[in-house]
Formats: sequence, C-alpha cells, structure tokens
Amino acid sequence: AQKVTQAQTEISVVEKEDVTLDCVYETRDTTYYLFWYKQPPSGELVFLIRRNSFDEQNEISGRYSWNFQKSTSSFNFTITASQVVDSAVYFCALSDLGVYGNNRLAFGKGNQVVVIP
Amino acid sequence: DTGVSQNPRHKITKRGQNVTFRCDPISEHNRLYWYRQTLGQGPEFLTYFQNEAQLEKSRLLSDRFSAERPKGSFSTLEIQRTEQGDSAMYLCASSFEQSTYEQYFGPGTRLTVT
Repeated sequence: AQKVTQAQTEISVVEKEDVTLDCVYETRDTTYYLFWYKQPPSGELVFLIRRNSFDEQNEISGRYSWNFQKSTSSFNFTITASQVVDSAVYFCALSDLGVYGNNRLAFGKGNQVVVIP
Repeated sequence: DTGVSQNPRHKITKRGQNVTFRCDPISEHNRLYWYRQTLGQGPEFLTYFQNEAQLEKSRLLSDRFSAERPKGSFSTLEIQRTEQGDSAMYLCASSFEQSTYEQYFGPGTRLTVT
C-alpha cells in the first residue's frame, strides 16, 4: 500500500526566511510519481511540482526547489525567501499507475505553513 | 481554458437526506477522480473514471455512495441517507491521459450533515 508521511504539522517562519517541508513515502512499485500540492485558505488544491521515480535530479523552479532521494524514500520541498502569500497547507502526494493506469494519489496529512510578516 | 468546477460549493443537509454533487472537468481531460478530505487530513481517493467507465472504487466508498459520468463529460457523486460522518470536503480532479500525470483539482464541495 502507498503511504506518505509528513511529520511536521505546523511551521511558522518570518517573511523572507526559507522553509523546508519533509516528506517520506512508502511504495512497493518501481514506477511512481511524487507531487507537491498547495492548499490556500480558499481550499482549492494547486499543483506545484512533480517528480518521477526514474529521475533523481533535483531542480529549482523560481522560489521552489526539491530534493528527491530514492535511497531514503524522501521528497523534500523548499520555499526560498518566503512571502505571506505562501501561507497555506502543503501536501506531498504519491501516485502509482494502478491496475488501470489511473495514478490515484495518496496524500500525506499536510504541513500548515504560516509566514509572519 | 477554464479549470475544474464543482457545484454546489457548500451543502448543509439533515441526517438521512440524499445529496448530489456535480463536477465539470477540464474539457479535454478524459480522467476524472473524486476524493474526500476531512478536517486536518489530506484528501483520500474515492473513485476514478476513464471516459464514462468507472474503473476503480475505494473501500471508503460505501453502498450509500454512487458516482456516474454519463457520456464521459461531467460527473455526479450522490450520497444516500447521509450520516454525520459524511461531513467533509468532496474534491474532484481531472487529468489528461497522455499528460505527465498531474491532476487538476476543483474548489470542492463542503458537505455538512446536521
């Protein structure tokens, strides 16, 4: 069974500080995808980044960066120079291809990020 | 390009009543998913459609729940004889089969059962 663990529940940072969110996953599949989603107070989940299990190259996209380490089953996410608009709940999610190739998502419990101005 | 839309956004109902939610996916997306999210938790998968075919249902989807996607376009999720434990946010997502697998979510329908 797929499982995603986000240990930290609420993280508070002062504006312009960096914040790193930890994600550890469990899967028996060799092919899978990992995602980070943002859920602002409005409630709509917003797709941020995706990484497949074949590519461990870490990347930066604007103020977002991620560190995927297959050996430790971790997929950590960093927001650089945080802004008040970054205040939201961030979810790590894992998908597999499923029997029907449907890539259903298994989510962690989320990290509440509070950016203090 | 409009995103995923869901109606209604909020629904308050009395225990024992039936409710129906609607999801309109992004037009070119042939995959549609329903998830449920309770307070303080991440979304949990309920069911999946590819075009009009419902291909997978979670064990979370009891007999009181039914979902349809006629003609492979919009989808409805009906809950019969609602219980207080059904109170949650119901999220719909869609994706394109040939895409890189990210799902795009709607704003959700918040159900409160009194």
